[in-house]
Amino acid sequence: QQPVQSPQAVILREGEDAVINCSSSKALYSVHWYRQKHGEAPVFLMILLKGGEQKGHEKISASFNEKKQQSSLYLTASQLSYSGTYFCGTEGQGAQKLVFGQGTRLTINP
Amino acid sequence: DGGITQSPKYLFRKEGQNVTLSCEQNLNHDAMYWYRQDPGQGLRLIYYSQIVNDFQKGDIAEGYSVSREKKESFPLTVTSAQKNPTAFYLCASSMIVYSNQPQHFGDGTRLSIL
Repeated sequence: QQPVQSPQAVILREGEDAVINCSSSKALYSVHWYRQKHGEAPVFLMILLKGGEQKGHEKISASFNEKKQQSSLYLTASQLSYSGTYFCGTEGQGAQKLVFGQGTRLTINP
Repeated sequence: DGGITQSPKYLFRKEGQNVTLSCEQNLNHDAMYWYRQDPGQGLRLIYYSQIVNDFQKGDIAEGYSVSREKKESFPLTVTSAQKNPTAFYLCASSMIVYSNQPQHFGDGTRLSIL
């Protein structure tokens, strides 16, 4: 079952923060995050495995709450290069494949 | 540089015609995947392969077929049975089919109906 991402779209000014959420109705083993710019291939950001860990990559970090079956992606002090559509991909227990959310379009303005 | 190459970038299909999308990787990855992306939508899994000569149906396999004769290659055929083939098709690979492995994507093929 497809995870639900929120918000569907967000517009920020450069330097502002954003949070993108990903929720599933099923128990999760892992959550992947990818960013896709228009007409390009998705680019891997990070993977979170069950255990509630938080990971970071420069000013982009994420958390995974396995009890709530949800993950959040945090973008701090956003840069113009952060613009794009962010997808979460979730893996259920024993599924060995990802199911992607519908995406969150992030627009960063100067 | 290692990566995934998809070809062609744009493809047009006539009614009743089968077309084949190419996907080649030189990352030495065992697992390969095909996804379909419609405008404003997420990625939906068509087929995936964990190893040469083996592949599994994804969520939307009807009207598609694949083969995996070589580790590097995972072509996708869109058959005439797929009545709504217009979409952006993405090929991906990962070291193995496990959750701690990131997927690397090709640049995609955009398929349209003539």
